[in-house]
Amino acid sequence: DAKTTQPTSMDCAEGRAANLPCNHSTISGNEYVYWYRQIHSQGPQYIIHGLKNNETNEMASLIITEDRKSSTLILPHATLRDTAVYYCIVRRPYNQGGKLIFGQGTELSVKP
Amino acid sequence: DGGITQSPKYLFRKEGQNVTLSCEQNLNHDAMYWYRQDPGQGLRLIYYSQIVNDFQKGDIAEGYSVSREKKESFPLTVTSAQKNPTAFYLCASSARRAGEGGNNEQFFGPGTRLTVL
Repeated sequence: DAKTTQPTSMDCAEGRAANLPCNHSTISGNEYVYWYRQIHSQGPQYIIHGLKNNETNEMASLIITEDRKSSTLILPHATLRDTAVYYCIVRRPYNQGGKLIFGQGTELSVKP
Repeated sequence: DGGITQSPKYLFRKEGQNVTLSCEQNLNHDAMYWYRQDPGQGLRLIYYSQIVNDFQKGDIAEGYSVSREKKESFPLTVTSAQKNPTAFYLCASSARRAGEGGNNEQFFGPGTRLTVL
């Protein structure tokens, strides 16, 4: 399985962009990068996913390096409600069931 | 409202008793999943099901059992064989079967916090 490495914790000022890095140096060519977040004692929430190209939706942007060995999740204008644990996940390929493997995640604290 | 429901939110059981956690979804999703989360840790996959009447072991299936008799329901039984059952249990579902390409966005329920006394 492709593993992911994320910083344990990060701080961000309210209103500023939050840039959350993730390393996935062993990712396979057909594996997707997914981001979820989990607010304390709730179920995780899907944010965004990508394969090769950069992606953007109403919640965030995902920047994937050309070699696909790392990615960055960008929350353009962080709010206090964005305080959560953010999980970077590499989805297993087709013949392994495509399951999501959650790591430890990054605990993002957005401060006023 | 469409979504995933888990009940109860909090559950207490005595050691040695089996307990069944409920998970229901009305999203018409094919695949359903059970995860376990311990304090300060990520989620670990217990069991998953891609279709009715079929399910597969995840990474930590020992001491657990599941059934998938209906598309909308995927109950998890924590048996007395599970050595450390106290944890936060999360159920999820996704529209596509786990092995297909494309978005495999999983929708999670609110979770059940099980405490074994």
